[in-house]
Amino acid sequence: DIVMTQTSLSSPVTLGQPASISCRSSHSLVHSDRNTYLTWLHQRPGQPPRPLIYKIFYRFTGVPDRFTGGGAGTDFTLKISRVEPEDVGVYYCMQGTEFPYTFGQGTKLEV
Amino acid sequence: EVQLLESGGGLAQPGGSLRLSCTASGFIFSNFAMSWVRQRPGRGLESVSVISSSGGTTNYVDSVRGRFTISRDNSKNTLYLQMTRLRSEDAAVYFCAKGSRSIVGATTIEDWGQGTQVAISS
Repeated sequence: DIVMTQTSLSSPVTLGQPASISCRSSHSLVHSDRNTYLTWLHQRPGQPPRPLIYKIFYRFTGVPDRFTGGGAGTDFTLKISRVEPEDVGVYYCMQGTEFPYTFGQGTKLEV
Repeated sequence: EVQLLESGGGLAQPGGSLRLSCTASGFIFSNFAMSWVRQRPGRGLESVSVISSSGGTTNYVDSVRGRFTISRDNSKNTLYLQMTRLRSEDAAVYFCAKGSRSIVGATTIEDWGQGTQVAISS
């Protein structure tokens, strides 16, 4: 199975300041169809995960443009340009390149 | 708007069985592969099983293979997870999730249900 490893944030984060979360996969996530199935999700307590970014850098509909995804191969980053109060929660990276789809352990963002 | 509504969770005994259901709306259910993902208390997310749009192809994480069965009824827009020989470590919130493609394999999970709680206790 592909192992996904996320970095911790220096907590707490200051509102209005940037934040960055890193994710590394144990194997390349580039699929034979040349796509990289790396998704970022955000979860608040008691809520299901909400997908933010797919295929490294594409935003889902309704996701603010302060969220930016980047990276390639095995190293990926989610950047928040200016942290807002509603951004608190846990962020997960997820690989969908091969089953079982696997997730990072989560990175908690606190303000 | 995509909606995924899970049901069937509850309390089961070790060695017992439960059947989860997920009713889908807001999209053409028969066009998309579907998954079950679980989240154990205080832990992260784990994909459990996936099924192709036609139901002809399935896959399972090793820890549930041989005990869980995923299926779907495209005429009812419903996804199922039959869980047997339940263990304490199966206790979790189970989410129904919609993939971005029809096939099992590489995918983006685009939508999630609210989840249904499964507890295991004697």
